[in-house]
Amino acid sequence: ETGVTQSPTHLIKTRGQQVTLRCSSQSGHNTVSWYQQALGQGPQFIFQYYREEENGRGNFPPRFSGLQFPNYSSELNVNALELDDSALYLCASSLGDRGGGEKLFFGSGTQLSVL
Amino acid sequence: GEDVEQSLFLSVREGDSSVINCTYTDSSSTYLYWYKQEPGAGLQLLTYIFSNMDMKQDQRLTVLLNKKDKHLSLRIADTQTGDSAIYFCAEKGTGFQKLVFGTGTRLLVSP
Repeated sequence: ETGVTQSPTHLIKTRGQQVTLRCSSQSGHNTVSWYQQALGQGPQFIFQYYREEENGRGNFPPRFSGLQFPNYSSELNVNALELDDSALYLCASSLGDRGGGEKLFFGSGTQLSVL
Repeated sequence: GEDVEQSLFLSVREGDSSVINCTYTDSSSTYLYWYKQEPGAGLQLLTYIFSNMDMKQDQRLTVLLNKKDKHLSLRIADTQTGDSAIYFCAEKGTGFQKLVFGTGTRLLVSP
């Protein structure tokens, strides 16, 4: 049990819709990262938030956006959903500086299916 | 660029040792990690090693790092059926916030 909780656990959307995924980080952690894991692949870095500001972004288009709140919980928003967005979305929290900290603890993920 | 490679599959018998291997390309890696993923679950941090170390042992787990060859291995002693899962190697570079993961090694432990 990592103390990182994500909601919802499963979600089905249709192409073109928008989705919001939520993450509560482990108590005391100030950094949240989001990863996308396609079936049979390793997780791919989407972006990271440190103290409510985006602190690094992977190779994902602008329709992937996020927020971090003062209590360090976070949201991932995806607009104009595409079929290829179907994946497991993982949130990870850590304690650190702008380097993100050395230990990342992951939640159980949200399984998104786009039809 | 950064790249992490792992073999796809490993099968062992219960009680044997398992060795999962990983190679990476980023010479500026600061930390290297092993995560475990069971079906339908998130990633569980098993262990990690700082790049200036050669070895780290934690109960049944031994991590070996050959920085010259950019090779990382995870040895699981006395492998149990509950160890069956996908194991991901990951690296974190200097000044980079992200982890770069391999595609995972599926470990199957038979009784």
